[in-house]
Amino acid sequence: KNQVEQSPQSLIILEGKNCTLQCNYTVSPFSNLRWYKQDTGRGPVSLTIMTFSENTKSNGRYTATLDADTKQSSLHITASQLSDSASYICVVIHSGSARQLTFGSGTQLTVLP
Amino acid sequence: IAGITQAPTSQILAAGRRMTLRCTQDMRHNAMYWYRQDLGLGLRLIHYSNTAGTTGKGEVPDGYSVSRANTDDFPLTLASAVPSQTSVYFCASSEDSLNTGELFFGEGSRLTVL
Repeated sequence: KNQVEQSPQSLIILEGKNCTLQCNYTVSPFSNLRWYKQDTGRGPVSLTIMTFSENTKSNGRYTATLDADTKQSSLHITASQLSDSASYICVVIHSGSARQLTFGSGTQLTVLP
Repeated sequence: IAGITQAPTSQILAAGRRMTLRCTQDMRHNAMYWYRQDLGLGLRLIHYSNTAGTTGKGEVPDGYSVSRANTDDFPLTLASAVPSQTSVYFCASSEDSLNTGELFFGEGSRLTVL
């Protein structure tokens, strides 16, 4: 069964600190993986996409990694800000003729002043 | 601002009533989707449409119906609401139905069925 598991479920850090969110998947065949940020009461917004051949990609203070062999991805946030408080959702896209996405349940990040 | 517009933003509904959630996009995207989001669960696909005039069933389609008469609009109808349909509903779109994966989401419609 195709699954995406994220850890931790929730995380509280102090402003200015770094953190890393994890995503493990069992999706096959794999096409690519996206990280979305969902602010409270809003819809998810894409942060970054990782394709099979990419290991690391940065978007400002966000750095995503992908290890296709171990089927793991991480999202590292540097120098956290209060505005980083949100749910971060990992989404894996299946390859093949029928496009399918499997969503993780998200990691709820709270950044405290 | 271009994007996805959903209405209503929230609604309380008596069980057994009919309800239509509206979704409009102005990005001329071919593909549109309806998801529900429940606490502790990932977003689950209800129905989708790869292009105007076509629709398909997602992971949890029972009790819901959709139509896609044109490119911009993709309403979701609950024919006879039940309490288990209490959820936050997100409409989304993408340029196409291929494996690019980027979805553009609306702000959600919070539905409570009593």
